[in-house]
Formats: sequence, C-alpha cells, structure tokens
Amino acid sequence: KAGVTQTPRYLIKTRGQQVTLSCSPISGHRSVSWYQQTPGQGLQFLFEYFSETQRNKGNFPGRFSGRQFSNSRSEMNVSTLELGDSALYLCASSSDRGRTEAFFGQGTRLTVV
Amino acid sequence: DQQVKQNSPSLSVQEGRISILNCDYTNSMFDYFLWYKKYPAEGPTFLISISSIKDKNEDGRFTVFLNKSAKHLSLHIVPSQPGDSAVYFCAASRGGIMKTSYDKVIFGPGTSLSVIP
Repeated sequence: KAGVTQTPRYLIKTRGQQVTLSCSPISGHRSVSWYQQTPGQGLQFLFEYFSETQRNKGNFPGRFSGRQFSNSRSEMNVSTLELGDSALYLCASSSDRGRTEAFFGQGTRLTVV
Repeated sequence: DQQVKQNSPSLSVQEGRISILNCDYTNSMFDYFLWYKKYPAEGPTFLISISSIKDKNEDGRFTVFLNKSAKHLSLHIVPSQPGDSAVYFCAASRGGIMKTSYDKVIFGPGTSLSVIP
C-alpha cells in the first residue's frame, strides 16, 4: 500500500508570490489534514478535509486555503507569500472509521526569499 | 495559547536506560492522546495512543501514562535504543474514539530525544 505522497519536496518562492502544494493520501483514506511545522512551534494545524468538505480549520490567515478532490487528493494554496511562511508543510491522511492515527507524508519544504 | 505543551525541548539518555517524555495539556475536553516520532527529513509516524477512559497503554518498549486530574501524560521508553533518537510529538484531540466527527488534533512543540550508545 503506497504511503502519503507530497509534491514537490522542496520549493523556493519569492515574497508576494503564491504557491500550491499537493498531497495524495493513502488509498481508501478520505480525511486529509495539513500542518505547518516551524522550529520551536511544533505542528500547527491548518485545516482538515473529509470527502471534499473542510471539516476543521486552524488559526491561519485567509491567505492559506485548501481543497480536496473527489479522489481524496488535496491541495493547499498560499497566496501573497511572506518570509514567515517558510516552513515544512506536512499532510496527513486517516481513514474515516472513527478516530484513528494519521499517516504523514514527508512534507514540502517551502522557503520564501 | 498552546493547548499542548512539552516543556523539555531536548532530552539525553544513555542506551538501555529509561526515557521519559512529558506532555501537559490545558483543555479538559481532550479525550484522546497520541504520540508521534519524527526523524529528520521524514514525516511524523504514529507511535502509541491512549483514550481518556484508560490511564495506561503499553506497546512493546513504549508505555503511555495518562493522569487526567493533572492534565499530564508521559511516554516511557524502556530500554532506550540509539534508533529511538528522534523528535517526539505529543498530540491531543476531543470527540471520543468512536465518533465519526471529531475535533482537530493539536500537537505539542516536540521533544528531541538523544539516546547515547
């Protein structure tokens, strides 16, 4: 069974640009969550999608948005990039059978210059 | 306001000894807790979980203890091995393990464990 796949693995963008990150969950998983990891802050929850609907949302500005497609693949978009958006962005998928542990991808390392 | 706290950013332990990683939470509505391990350049991997109806859960060398009254949980690794060197994240959520609709999972800042051979 293939794991969670995130693309691209590394990305360098300039302030003011926008970026789209992609996540393919484990086959059969319908829940996809996105996290931002920065040094000392742990994993900050961005949002969760389940069956194409945003189920939960963290405390991030509206520049951060996401969506999920019918095949459960998810994309995350950040507009008007700021230097502080530089981070590791992690995607996690889980099954829809109640509460189970999440499986994480390797993440996308975004650097904003 | 950080709802899940891991007050020790780092911990060093001798191989073969016990590693104890601590986690505190502030939200009394949390009823499900998880520990994840993360190696550099990899995503976190699930280690062990515990529901609030229990106070202990064991899985091989890993045991998680939950003290609801103190809003505290700890992860014990016995015996510690060099391969256990990683960042450990404590996480919490609410909603009950069997509910299909549950709240977001909140992670702590992590504790970097070094097991010295």
